Amino acid sequence: GESVGLHLPTLSVQEGDNSIINCAYSNSASDYFIWYKQESGKGPQFIIDIRSNMDKRQGQRVTVLLNKTVKHLSLQIAATQPGDSAVYFCAEYAQGTYKYIFGTGTRLKVLA
Amino acid sequence: DTGVSQNPRHKITKRGQNVTFRCDPISEHNRLYWYRQTLGQGPEFLTYFQNEAQLEKSRLLSDRFSAERPKGSFSTLEIQRTEQGDSAMYLCASSGQNTEAFFGQGTRLTVV
Repeated sequence: GESVGLHLPTLSVQEGDNSIINCAYSNSASDYFIWYKQESGKGPQFIIDIRSNMDKRQGQRVTVLLNKTVKHLSLQIAATQPGDSAVYFCAEYAQGTYKYIFGTGTRLKVLA
Repeated sequence: DTGVSQNPRHKITKRGQNVTFRCDPISEHNRLYWYRQTLGQGPEFLTYFQNEAQLEKSRLLSDRFSAERPKGSFSTLEIQRTEQGDSAMYLCASSGQNTEAFFGQGTRLTVV
């Protein structure tokens, strides 16, 4: 079936450095993508989204890049802080499917 | 608090018992989703409601699972004759038309 996968299960970065979390998706019909942050024992928290008619979107300290040619999505976090430590999921959505499909996630560890 | 609310936050039950969880979505959202998440995995789609209509159900939703959204506002998820394999975090999310999905904090179910 269609799925969203992540290349790196764990990413460790130094505090203050930039982080890049990658995601590959397989459904070419997906037209909406979201990055979520999930801390232990909590529900996923919306970070940023992007629609398929865009290739880049910026938020506060975060940027999402979408490459539809290779079905790749990335989340860039600038000046990573200890509070950024969490598991990050990308999720894809295709019109008419009524569901967001998640991958297994990447754990981000911020080293002091 | 105007976010998605889930109750209870934690539930411990004996195998074979029935349990019911409640989700109160963001008030203006007509779309509601239930997901299940096990440790180290991304959320897995269970079911979707648009207003009071249940439009999509995953094959993960066995006959022991039932979800309702009787008035198009809050939703309940019931699991009958619980099994140890049902132990997981049950997440609810809501969204408006063509907007991002916001998740609640989840209900952690432990079947002993």
